[in-house]
Amino acid sequence: DGGITQSPKYLFRKEGQNVTLSCEQNLNHDAMYWYRQDPGQGLRLIYYSQIVNDFQKGDIAEGYSVSREKKESFPLTVTSAQKNPTAFYLCASSLGRANTGELFFGEGSRLTVL
Amino acid sequence: QKEVEQDPGPLSVPEGAIVSLNCTYSNSAFQYFMWYRQYSRKGPELLMYTYSSGNKEDGRFTAQVDKSSKYISLFIRDSQPSDSATYLCAMSHTGGFKTIFGAGTRLFVKA
Repeated sequence: DGGITQSPKYLFRKEGQNVTLSCEQNLNHDAMYWYRQDPGQGLRLIYYSQIVNDFQKGDIAEGYSVSREKKESFPLTVTSAQKNPTAFYLCASSLGRANTGELFFGEGSRLTVL
Repeated sequence: QKEVEQDPGPLSVPEGAIVSLNCTYSNSAFQYFMWYRQYSRKGPELLMYTYSSGNKEDGRFTAQVDKSSKYISLFIRDSQPSDSATYLCAMSHTGGFKTIFGAGTRLFVKA
């Protein structure tokens, strides 16, 4: 079945540690996105990539980094510079590079900082 | 002012009721209007997708877009307990590169 796989589902981190969240898609989609979801705030865009080896900052990129070395993979690193990293992280993809809003989401990764 | 405003609820209704969920927005450039459904601890899934103004119906779900009022709605007929979820409105335009989401309305349908 085609879809988006995020791992791990749950992750605990100590303050000062970097962590990397995995996102893999087998939908052959061009564009991929990372969103952060906090209670009562909806989804906020962290980074997006429309093509391999290219990515752009979203609204809340500070303290995060990404790479897009393969079309199917778009990992997100939450660095120690992110002040409040506890959140639900969602990876998404869309078919074309033009943003028509039709997104396919993974199941999410919940990060908790201890 | 947020680009998209959505009442977070929660909204609690009895089984079989008609549910009305709404969002308002400020950016007149939006062309694509979506409703996503998100179950607890899951990723959102696309429920309804509308281009420009008008109505779209899919089974028990109807999406309405009124661009003149910058107002979109989702109606759920004969609501079921399985409809209990958070409903996120979202919108975008091809001139931009991101989809803007509302905060989500949490819906409970009681059996």
